[in-house]
Amino acid sequence: NAGVTQTPKFRILKIGQSMTLQCTQDMNHNYMYWYRQDPGMGLKLIYYSVGAGITDKGEVPNGYNVSRSTTEDFPLRLELAAPSQTSVYFCASTPDRKAFFGQGTRLTVV
Amino acid sequence: RKEVEQDPGPFNVPEGATVAFNCTYSNSASQSFFWYRQDCRKEPKLLMSVYSSGNEDGRFTAQLNRASQYISLLIRDSKLSDSATYLCVVSASGGSYIPTFGRGTSLIVHP
Repeated sequence: NAGVTQTPKFRILKIGQSMTLQCTQDMNHNYMYWYRQDPGMGLKLIYYSVGAGITDKGEVPNGYNVSRSTTEDFPLRLELAAPSQTSVYFCASTPDRKAFFGQGTRLTVV
Repeated sequence: RKEVEQDPGPFNVPEGATVAFNCTYSNSASQSFFWYRQDCRKEPKLLMSVYSSGNEDGRFTAQLNRASQYISLLIRDSKLSDSATYLCVVSASGGSYIPTFGRGTSLIVHP
């Protein structure tokens, strides 16, 4: 059982470039989330989804977009990378109240 | 006021010590409470749920005080392997389930 899988694990982007962070879960969970974690800080919610076709903004959505075409996949899109988006990004899913996290994507924007 | 507040620490304790962390939350409608553990450069992992009556899992005890809006985590007989950041997680009832994380409390257990 793979759980929540994120790719890539590391990435360096130049300012203005775009990329998609992939997140896949094989547990058939309805709820999925994207968080970012800056050094020494807690997790801040970027976007979440309560099921396929339904997404909503979290606390810090600016500069990001998401889609949820299937239950399994919840990709996060950065359109014009900025240094402020340098962070660790975690995807999570939950069937009820207990969240399962992917291993994270470390993104550096230079 | 932040939704979920924690003392970032670090709490520096010797092996075998008992250590306690508190976490306060601002939304009185909060219904679900958890403690997660996060090792350096790793993803958070669920440590334990927190119930109104309090609950214990081995050396770990979690308590909820709804009146004062805080939850606590007590670790007895600390081990070196307990060194990590402990994240408090709270979510409100009704509507979509949105876990809100505190910034975490760092624990360092030394020999």
